[in-house]
Amino acid sequence: EIVLTQSPGTLSLSPGERATLSCRASESVSTGYLAWYQQTPGQAPRFLIFGASSRAAGIPDRFRGSGSGTDFTLTISRLEPEDFAVYYCQQYGSSPPTFGGGTKVEIK
Amino acid sequence: EVQLLESGGGVVQPGGSLRLSCTASGFDFTMYVMNWVRQAPGKGLEWVSGISDTGLTTYYADSVKGRFTISRDNAKNTVSLLMHSLRAEDAAIYYCAKDVGSTHIYYFQSWGQGTLVAVSS
Repeated sequence: EIVLTQSPGTLSLSPGERATLSCRASESVSTGYLAWYQQTPGQAPRFLIFGASSRAAGIPDRFRGSGSGTDFTLTISRLEPEDFAVYYCQQYGSSPPTFGGGTKVEIK
Repeated sequence: EVQLLESGGGVVQPGGSLRLSCTASGFDFTMYVMNWVRQAPGKGLEWVSGISDTGLTTYYADSVKGRFTISRDNAKNTVSLLMHSLRAEDAAIYYCAKDVGSTHIYYFQSWGQGTLVAVSS
């Protein structure tokens, strides 16, 4: 199965700053089949990005996904208070679908 | 609006069984793969199982294969997960998640609020 490694584990930033989250796959993710999710404490995950770079409906354009092959990035251009959360990447290019371990974006 | 409501969680002894259910509304349930994804306390997300739109094809993580059975009732808009031989490592919040595909698992577009399974003697 494809192992996804997310880095850093924790990102300490202030509101208004830019966040750059990395997701690295153990092998190439077919056709850029990578998704991103956001999870705040006590809540279910929220779907953000599919196909590595396409935003889900209703997701603000400050969230930008990029990358291909084995290296993917989620960038949040200017952090809003509600963006402080844990972010997970997930590949669906091969079976089974797998998630990364998550990156926590916390308030500095 | 898509709504997914899980039920059936609780405390079960090691080796015991439990049946989780998810009732869906707000979309054509018969057209989509449905999944279960779990999250152990303080840990990340793990896909557990999925079932195709017709129910003819099922998918399982290796960690649950042979112990868990997923099924669906398209007349009742429900998907279920029957869990046997439960282990301590199965303790988690179990989320029901709607896929975007009909026959294969892609990504998880909508999520329920989850139901908690605790495995303890």
